[in-house]
Amino acid sequence: GENVEQHPSTLSVQEGDSAVIKCTYSDSASNYFPWYKQELGKRPQLIIDIRSNVGEKKDQRIAVTLNKTAKHFSLHITETQPEDSAVYFCAASIMSGGGADGLTFGKGTHLIIQP
Amino acid sequence: SQTIHQWPATLVQPVGSPLSLECTVEGTSNPNLYWYRQAAGRGLQLLFYSIGIDQISSEVPQNLSASRPQDRQFILSSKKLLLSDSGFYLCAWRRLPWANEKLFFGSGTQLSVL
Repeated sequence: GENVEQHPSTLSVQEGDSAVIKCTYSDSASNYFPWYKQELGKRPQLIIDIRSNVGEKKDQRIAVTLNKTAKHFSLHITETQPEDSAVYFCAASIMSGGGADGLTFGKGTHLIIQP
Repeated sequence: SQTIHQWPATLVQPVGSPLSLECTVEGTSNPNLYWYRQAAGRGLQLLFYSIGIDQISSEVPQNLSASRPQDRQFILSSKKLLLSDSGFYLCAWRRLPWANEKLFFGSGTQLSVL
């Protein structure tokens, strides 16, 4: 099955600086890569996703890049703000006909924005 | 619009007691439904998924079971809880057709087994 590795486990950056979180996946058939943000005690919420036919996607201060050859994808947050502090999860899945496959998640990155 | 309801929000149960967590989805039909568990400080582990009524697949061997008695209802159960069952349980759904891969989570249940 799919295996997703996520690094770093903890990331501390100064407010206003950029943050980068990296993930690798093992199954070359995976073709959908979402990122979730989870605040303490709350549900994970989708913040951005990318499909394998796209190399980069951007939404305001958040961007995701995908390198299919190397099987890795990254989340980039620019101009970080205190409200960006949370745990971020990457995930991978195969968009199959049955749609039954659950997402395989990375272990998460605790992002801390220092004032 | 679609919404997902999960309850209870918090649960404290003694070891050996039964468990029933319920999840319902509104505003869609024939969704894919999922149960995930999140241990403290760790990632999300897929426990069960269902593509239809009474169609349940288990991802990992464990002390838990799942049922889907109705199209938009998903239940996580245990006959006898273990200490290791403590964690944050999340129900999730994904809309069919399968071209839409976005996964939406319920608000979660914090289960403490003492």
